[in-house]
Amino acid sequence: EAGVTQSPTHLIKTRGQQATLRCSPISGHTSVYWYQQALGLGLQFLLWYDEGEERNRGNFPPRFSGRQFPNYSSELNVNALELEDSALYLCASSLAGQINQPQHFGDGTRLSIL
Amino acid sequence: GEDVEQSLFLSVREGDSSVINCTYTDSSSTYLYWYKQEPGAGLQLLTYIFSNMDMKQDQRLTVLLNKKDKHLSLRIADTQTGDSAIYFCAQGSGGYQKVTFGTGTKLQVIP
Repeated sequence: EAGVTQSPTHLIKTRGQQATLRCSPISGHTSVYWYQQALGLGLQFLLWYDEGEERNRGNFPPRFSGRQFPNYSSELNVNALELEDSALYLCASSLAGQINQPQHFGDGTRLSIL
Repeated sequence: GEDVEQSLFLSVREGDSSVINCTYTDSSSTYLYWYKQEPGAGLQLLTYIFSNMDMKQDQRLTVLLNKKDKHLSLRIADTQTGDSAIYFCAQGSGGYQKVTFGTGTKLQVIP
């Protein structure tokens, strides 16, 4: 069974640009979660999508947005990039947005802002 | 609110047991998770325990839960150099899949 896949592995941008990160969940999983892991910090919850709808959002500005497609893959968009957006962005998926379904993670996209 | 705390660093000798501790605040937590993150990789789910359980064992891993003290621990028996990684504790709570992660404990295994 293929795991959660994320692309690209690395992404280098400059301040003010826009970044798009992609995630394909495990087959059969309908929920997708996005996290930011900045250097020296833990995981900060960004967004949760389930069945194409945004279900919950973390404490991030509106320039962080995303969507989930009919095939349950997801995109995270970050507009007007700032230096502090440099981080590892992790995507996770689960069978459904219920408490007894653990999240399975991809290897992340390393976003570097120059 | 929900908060999960872990010590930042643990160093053990190869072959010894490692015990990684975690405290959480949300008494309504239903599931508690342990994840492992190796350098340059995402988080790998190691094990999880339902809040009405006291213990769960899976090969070299033993999870102990003290619900009264809101304390969770992960014991790794016969620790190997391949166990060197960051270990995250996480709690799930709420009517939907809201998971809060700790800051992670970096385990260093000395040969």
